[in-house]
Formats: sequence, structure tokens, C-alpha cells
Amino acid sequence: NAGVTQTPKFRVLKTGQSMTLLCAQDMNHEYMYWYRQDPGMGLRLIHYSVGEGTTAKGEVPDGYNVSRLKKQNFLLGLESAAPSQTSVYFCASSLNYEQYFGPGTRLTVT
Amino acid sequence: DAKTTQPTSMDCAEGRAANLPCNHSTISGNEYVYWYRQIHSQGPQYIIHGLKNNETNEMASLIITEDRKSSTLILPHATLRDTAVYYCIVSQWGSYNTDKLIFGTGTRLQVFP
Repeated sequence: NAGVTQTPKFRVLKTGQSMTLLCAQDMNHEYMYWYRQDPGMGLRLIHYSVGEGTTAKGEVPDGYNVSRLKKQNFLLGLESAAPSQTSVYFCASSLNYEQYFGPGTRLTVT
Repeated sequence: DAKTTQPTSMDCAEGRAANLPCNHSTISGNEYVYWYRQIHSQGPQYIIHGLKNNETNEMASLIITEDRKSSTLILPHATLRDTAVYYCIVSQWGSYNTDKLIFGTGTRLQVFP
């Protein structure tokens, strides 16, 4: 039981490039989330999903898109990366009140 | 904006109880108090949550005041591994249109030998 895994762990992008972050969970959770954490700050919710095929915007959705084609996977896309998107990205999943977080993806946009 | 107020940092001696306060004076009747912690750069970890009554689990105890405007997380016997940032969050239960965890900046707890 791996819990929540994230791919990749680290990535450096140039401004304007695109990429997709993958989150996978093997706990059969309905709910999945993407957060970002900037230095010295708490986590902020980007997008979330309450089930396969559904997504919704969080606090800071601009510049990101998501998809939940399979229950176990939640993808976060950056179509045209900007330096302001340099951050650590955390994925989480939950069944009810407890959210389980992945180890994070450290993204740098130069 | 975070709905909670926490001290920026606290120290605690190893083996002693760590008492982390949180103010949430605008909490509504259907909002729970959650505590998470984040060790170094790892993903946050759930600790405990409660509505009105005090709660205890294998990690910690949660004491909520009668008027629910504040709470205290208690780590009964702090160890060096409890050094982390602790987040106090208020959120509704199960209503995922609004049940989002709004993380503030938390309390940085330093446990020293």
C-alpha cells in the first residue's frame, strides 16, 4: 500500500514550457486535491476533485488545469509555466475527514 | 484568509507536554477544528479533529473551549521527532464545496533535548 505518490519529485522548467504533474493513490479515495506551498507559507488549494470525472477550482486555480479520468489518478497541468509558479506542489486524497498527503513535487520555473 | 490565529513559534523540552494554542473566534456551528503537522519539507500529516468535545488519540489531545472560540493541541510527551510546523484549521465536515482546508502559517514547534 503506497498511499499517495507524486511524479516527478523535482523539475526545472523554462518560462513558457508546459508540464503535467501526476498524483496517484491506491486507497480507493473519492476525493483528491492539489495544493501549492510557497516558502514560509501554508498550503493553498489549487483544484480538487470529488470523484472520477469531476473537478473544481480551489483558492488559486489560475494558470493550472486538472483532470481526473481515473479514480486513482489526479493530474495537474501547467500549460505555460511562469516564474510565479515556482513552488512545492502537494497532492492529497481523502475518504472523509482525514487527508493523506504525498511527498511533494519541487518545481522551479526560470 | 485563514480563520485561525496561532503563535508563530514555540519551544518545548523533550519529555514535557507541548501545548499549542489556537484562536478561532469566528468559527461557525458546523465547523470542525482540525490539526495537521508538517515535518520539515514533507507533506502534512493529520493529527486530530473535533467539534465540541475534547478528543484524544494515540498522537495527541484536543481541548476545545466551551464557547468553541479557541482550542489547544496537547502533545503529552514531546520528542525530538515532534519538531514540526503545526496547523490549526477550521473546516466544515463532508461538504466538499466548502470543505477546504485553509492552511495558515501555523506554529513552528521546536523540541529541544
